[in-house]
Amino acid sequence: DGGITQSPKYLFRKEGQNVTLSCEQNLNHDAMYWYRQDPGQGLRLIYYSQIVNDFQKGDIAEGYSVSREKKESFPLTVTSAQKNPTAFYLCASSPDRGLSQETQYFGPGTRLLVL
Amino acid sequence: RKEVEQDPGPFNVPEGATVAFNCTYSNSASQSFFWYRQDCRKEPKLLMSVYSSGNEDGRFTAQLNRASQYISLLIRDSKLSDSATYLCVVNIPGTYKYIFGTGTRLKVLA
Repeated sequence: DGGITQSPKYLFRKEGQNVTLSCEQNLNHDAMYWYRQDPGQGLRLIYYSQIVNDFQKGDIAEGYSVSREKKESFPLTVTSAQKNPTAFYLCASSPDRGLSQETQYFGPGTRLLVL
Repeated sequence: RKEVEQDPGPFNVPEGATVAFNCTYSNSASQSFFWYRQDCRKEPKLLMSVYSSGNEDGRFTAQLNRASQYISLLIRDSKLSDSATYLCVVNIPGTYKYIFGTGTRLKVLA
């Protein structure tokens, strides 16, 4: 089955702790994205990556970090610098056929809660 | 003006009704438009892309009005299972980025 997987489904973070959210895709897509969704708000872009070993900040990158060492994987680390991390985190991927012309496909999401 | 704007609703309609949502966008150079459906506490799923000529998929019809800078989604013969939030998505020209609307919530009532 082709698709995007995210783990864990729920994640709890203690104050001052870094946590890493996993995102894996087997769709052979070049571009991958991380979004954050808060109640009553649209999805906001955290980071995106067009190719391996390259990524760019989105609109709300502060307090987050990413890596793209493999085409299939785009993990997101929520650092202790992110003061309001409670949200629904969504990973997406799309084929790279010329900028943002292509459909994005989403993983099932990770809910991060702060203890 | 927001980059992408949607009426949050909720739109409460009886089964079998026809309902339409609009989404306005601010960047006249945008080229790609999509409607996604999002169920409560789930990920967004692509409903349909929106083409310049308009497109139809079963009970769903999407249209683009470039002059007035809005896209629309029409749902005919509403089903209970159509109850969800519908997200409008527009690309940012010259980038790999997309802007998501906050969504329009639809409730189809028995």
